[in-house]
Amino acid sequence: DVKVTQSSRYLVKRTGEKVFLECVQDMDHENMFWYRQDPGLGLRLIYFSYDVKMKEKGDIPEGYSVSREKKERFSLILESASTNQTSMYLCASSWGESSGANVLTFGAGSRLTVL
Amino acid sequence: GQNIDQPTEMTATEGAIVQINCTYQTSGFNGLFWYQQHAGEAPTFLSYNVLDGLEEKGRFSSFLSRSKGYSYLLLKELQMKDSASYLCAVRDSNYQLIWGAGTKLIIKP
Repeated sequence: DVKVTQSSRYLVKRTGEKVFLECVQDMDHENMFWYRQDPGLGLRLIYFSYDVKMKEKGDIPEGYSVSREKKERFSLILESASTNQTSMYLCASSWGESSGANVLTFGAGSRLTVL
Repeated sequence: GQNIDQPTEMTATEGAIVQINCTYQTSGFNGLFWYQQHAGEAPTFLSYNVLDGLEEKGRFSSFLSRSKGYSYLLLKELQMKDSASYLCAVRDSNYQLIWGAGTKLIIKP
């Protein structure tokens, strides 16, 4: 089974702190994604990566950055956390081919609260 | 703009059948996905439709009509474990996924 592991299930941070969310997948997937999930809204894509050291902005990249130094690891960074970044963050991975039933495998999520 | 609509919440009885609808308006179409998400857990893949018609997979079926911009997920012989949110997502012309807000399904004994 493909496994996507997010390092922290729950985090509480203060406004202005730097926050790192780590994600590791163990099936050699090329693609990795960071989404945020908020009540009443669909998943919103923050950043994605199709290869090591490669990143692309999603729909809501402002206030976030990412790092992919190794194929299996994709990190989301909040340089200066703000209260409107309180959310559930979901990491996902998939094979490189974008067509067909290219299914996303998700991690269990990291619930971040910014005070 | 791009839009996916699904009901916010539905309630059904154990053993019954429920249909969860999804309508979409997107820039192009390259497939529609349904995912299941139990509370506090990761979304997991249920089904994929790219051609019109019905795809059946055990107790779950998914239907697509591209001309109507419409899909539904049909769950038969409902079990308590089917209580979850069901997410509809459409892949657009740029092969990006557009997500609905999800339908929370509550199963009552």
